[in-house]
Amino acid sequence: DTGVSQDPRHKITKRGQNVTFRCDPISEHNRLYWYRQTLGQGPEFLTYFQNEAQLEKSRLLSDRFSAERPKGSFSTLEIQRTEQGDSAMYLCASSLVQGATGNEQFFGPGTRLTVL
Amino acid sequence: AQKVTQAQTEISVVEKEDVTLDCVYETRDTTYYLFWYKQPPSGELVFLIRRNSFDEQNEISGRYSWNFQKSTSSFNFTITASQVVDSAVYFCALSDAYNTDKLIFGTGTRLQVFP
Repeated sequence: DTGVSQDPRHKITKRGQNVTFRCDPISEHNRLYWYRQTLGQGPEFLTYFQNEAQLEKSRLLSDRFSAERPKGSFSTLEIQRTEQGDSAMYLCASSLVQGATGNEQFFGPGTRLTVL
Repeated sequence: AQKVTQAQTEISVVEKEDVTLDCVYETRDTTYYLFWYKQPPSGELVFLIRRNSFDEQNEISGRYSWNFQKSTSSFNFTITASQVVDSAVYFCALSDAYNTDKLIFGTGTRLQVFP
């Protein structure tokens, strides 16, 4: 168990540029979540995948955001035409769901995005 | 709507003091789950405990204990004999029981333990 990994850890970009983040979940985990955390706040849910299917998207996820999990393993989160308001920590979490709910989510170290 | 409130923004204590972090939640669901996570300065959220809505037994794990009271919609977290390594931001979270498991977090309580 190597834990959830995220890449890059830090990203600085200029407004209007596109950025892509990657998340590698714990290998046997079938669910993958993306959250966003701004300074002084708790993480906020963005979207989640069950295997390769994206099952729910928050209203926080504008049309400039897209997430994929093509083979049910790693996931990418892309932000197009970044805005200063996108500056935040983007957290990825994974869990193993086998019927029951309330499963523990394991979080990665996050990608800190700064939009200048 | 579901909501988690952590009214204490920041708490400072001296090592070996006991400290309680408050968490109040709102939900219309009869089945739900409550969590506590720790976020040390490194930034990675660390799972501490999960409790389902049908289990109101208090739990103790070493210096940590949790008090779940459905009557007051609270799930408080106590650290006994605090240590400097306990310094972190602590988040209480709520998840629904209807398949998504998405977590709804409070705003967190920053705990500083001074030597």
